[in-house]
Amino acid sequence: DIQMTQSPASLSASLGETVSIECLASEDIYNNLAWYQQKPGKSPQLLIYYASSLQDGVPSRFSGSGSGTQYSLKINSLESEDAATYFCLQDSEYPYTFGAGTKLELK
Amino acid sequence: QVQLQQSGAELAKPGSSVKISCKASGYTFTSYYISWIKQTTGQGLEYIGYINTGSGGTNYNEKFKGKATLTVDKSSSTAFMQLSSLTPDDSAVYYCARHDYYFDYWGQGVMVTVSS
Repeated sequence: DIQMTQSPASLSASLGETVSIECLASEDIYNNLAWYQQKPGKSPQLLIYYASSLQDGVPSRFSGSGSGTQYSLKINSLESEDAATYFCLQDSEYPYTFGAGTKLELK
Repeated sequence: QVQLQQSGAELAKPGSSVKISCKASGYTFTSYYISWIKQTTGQGLEYIGYINTGSGGTNYNEKFKGKATLTVDKSSSTAFMQLSSLTPDDSAVYYCARHDYYFDYWGQGVMVTVSS
């Protein structure tokens, strides 16, 4: 199985700041990487697919980048509603695998 | 709009089985697979498998073979997952998701609690 190592596990930032979250795959996943946001008690919401494509309706302050084994999610100009847990998903090879998640707290 | 409506929470005894449902609406059901995902605090998110909603063909994560059985009823646009021989380790929130390479829409989740 492909292992997805996500960092950091938690993050604290202020409104208006920019943050990045990383996912490292144990092998090349050819940009087959999605990012999700999950708020407590809610189901995950797709933010980014195919490493850098923004899902319809997702604010443009979210962006994804990367290739090969290294991928990142960047959130510009943090807003209060961005407080959530973020995780990555590799959909390159079955079984699909997820990163462990990054909990983003707003100061 | 695309919606996946899952059945309600389950409280089950060890050794028993549960069957949870996922009713799709707002799109052509047989145009997308349905996948199932397990979420726990300790293990995070785990992919269980998918069902081809058109053919009924399935793909399971080796870890969940023998534990989960995926079926579909095209007439009602509903996918099902049966979990058998339940143990406390099966206590989790289970999600269905529309599968288009990635998972683009998720159900609201079903909490399954296994306790005597």
